[in-house]
Order: sequence, then C-alpha cells, then structure tokens
Amino acid sequence: ETGVTQSPTHLIKTRGQQVTLRCSSQSGHNTVSWYQQALGQGPQFIFQYYREEENGRGNFPPRFSGLQFPNYSSELNVNALELDDSALYLCASSQQGGYYGYTFGSGTRLTVV
Amino acid sequence: GENVEQHPSTLSVQEGDSAVIKCTYSDSASNYFPWYKQELGKRPQLIIDIRSNVGEKKDQRIAVTLNKTAKHFSLHITETQPEDSAVYFCAASRADTGNQFYFGTGTSLTVIP
Repeated sequence: ETGVTQSPTHLIKTRGQQVTLRCSSQSGHNTVSWYQQALGQGPQFIFQYYREEENGRGNFPPRFSGLQFPNYSSELNVNALELDDSALYLCASSQQGGYYGYTFGSGTRLTVV
Repeated sequence: GENVEQHPSTLSVQEGDSAVIKCTYSDSASNYFPWYKQELGKRPQLIIDIRSNVGEKKDQRIAVTLNKTAKHFSLHITETQPEDSAVYFCAASRADTGNQFYFGTGTSLTVIP
C-alpha cells in the first residue's frame, strides 16, 4: 500500500508567478483535500475533490484552483502569487469522502519572494 | 463555519507525567474529531479520533474525551515519553459537508527527560 506523495517538496517562486503542486493519493482513496499550513499555525482547508468533482471549498480566493484526475491524483494551482502564500501545502487523501479520516502527505514548502 | 479553539499553545511536562490538551468547537453538527501529531518537518499523523456517538476512546497511553453538550473534546496522554514531544492538532468535521477538517492552532508539547 503506497502513501500520499506530493511534489515538489520545496519550491521558490516570485510574487505574481503561478505555481502547480501535485499530489498522488493513497491507493484505494477517492477523496483528496488540500490544506495550507502557515508557520506555527494549524492547517487551513482550501478545497476538496471527491471522484473528480470539487465538493467543498474553504475561505480562499479564486486564484486557488484545483483538479482531480481519473486516477484520483490531484493538482493545486495558485495564480498571481502573493508573499502571504508562503506556506506548507498539504494534500490529504481518504476513502468515502473523508468518513474514515485522512492520510496526509509530507507537503510542499512554497516560498514566495 | 466551524471554529476550533485549542489550549494551551505550549505545554511542558516531566517524563512520566500526564498531558492534557483541550479543544472547543462551535458547530453542533460536527461529528468527527481527530487528533494529529506533527513532528518538526514531518506530515501530520493521525493518533486517535472519536465520533460524536461515543464519549471516550482509549488507545494505550492516549485517550480522547468528548462532551457534545459543552462542545469540547480533550486529548489525554499518560506516562509521557520524550518521543511524545511534537505539535498536536485537534480538528472537527461533519460528514454532511464532506468531512472538511477545521483545525485548532496546535499545542507544542515538550516532554522533559
């Protein structure tokens, strides 16, 4: 059984640029959620995908967007990067829309300069 | 939306003593409450969870209690060991909105040998 893998592990971008983060869900999981974790804070929910459809979104602007693919892997896209977007981005996968809890990936550390 | 508060933000205990971390939530419809442990630079790991149909759950040295009326839940760690040192996050979610997690702000636990 494979876990949740995220790529890249670290990334440095310039303000105004666009970034794509990737996540491979754990085998057998059809639900993927993305979280933003600022330094010293708890993870904040960005959005969730269940069977390729977005089924929930947190308080993040539209420049945060995502996709889920038929194999249940997922992408998080952020346009027009701002300095405050610097954070650890965590992907979490689950079965059945998250009913059995989530398994987190190790995250992508994004730094915006 | 849901608001989860967590206390204390930092906690130091002597090895062998007990540690208690408390969380409150605002949405009475929340029905799933996981606890995650996050070591420095690592992914959050689920350590224990509880659903709203039970009041207490125990797993070896770790226990969680839930008071639905007061809308608070607590993590109890007995016989603490240095390897328990980490940041602990509580979270709340509800199944009818896709189980998106609302996290507390974290408790940094230090176990002093």
